[in-house]
Amino acid sequence: DQQVKQNSPSLSVQEGRISILNCDYTNSMFDYFLWYKKYPAEGPTFLISISSIKDKNEDGRFTVFLNKSAKHLSLHIVPSQPGDSAVYFCAAHSYNQGGKLIFGQGTELSVKP
Amino acid sequence: DGGITQSPKYLFRKEGQNVTLSCEQNLNHDAMYWYRQDPGQGLRLIYYSQIVNDFQKGDIAEGYSVSREKKESFPLTVTSAQKNPTAFYLCASSIKGHTEAFFGQGTRLTVV
Repeated sequence: DQQVKQNSPSLSVQEGRISILNCDYTNSMFDYFLWYKKYPAEGPTFLISISSIKDKNEDGRFTVFLNKSAKHLSLHIVPSQPGDSAVYFCAAHSYNQGGKLIFGQGTELSVKP
Repeated sequence: DGGITQSPKYLFRKEGQNVTLSCEQNLNHDAMYWYRQDPGQGLRLIYYSQIVNDFQKGDIAEGYSVSREKKESFPLTVTSAQKNPTAFYLCASSIKGHTEAFFGQGTRLTVV
């Protein structure tokens, strides 16, 4: 039972354009959502998060949008840079499931010069 | 420097042997987690611990065991009962009640 899903395994974008990574979830009790960035053979690093009571959070080139009615969130990267090429994981925090993070499958972003 | 240290980075074991992966943190975090990454499956939670001497099973705990005798340490043992042990293992920690988790660099375990 996949509670957090990233349905696009990969995404290719031209440098300077917008990258949009999507994530869907099923559990309406999730209270926070996070995005992590991961390079091969390294641990994920935290990128940006959003509380379930908000619909947008922005940090520099990164913006996360949350649509609670659709149980959908997205990460926008503008403008995309070659150094953004990595695997991006969406994660949901579940306070009523012991505070654990539940991850999606990841989307591999490739930003081409 | 504060952080999470996983050792070793690469580990090879023969089938049928138990192996223990180390995870140490000096961030004074209460909660610690073990995840496994397989291609196309994202990060799956094996075990987690919110406090010393207490831990809970995650989604794929079968064939694994953990202990949490000290706040700083959360070792994971991959037993011979784990049918597909070859994977990339990630340890993480967080402040209790906070959402953001910090990850170690991972251990690539290969069982031959």
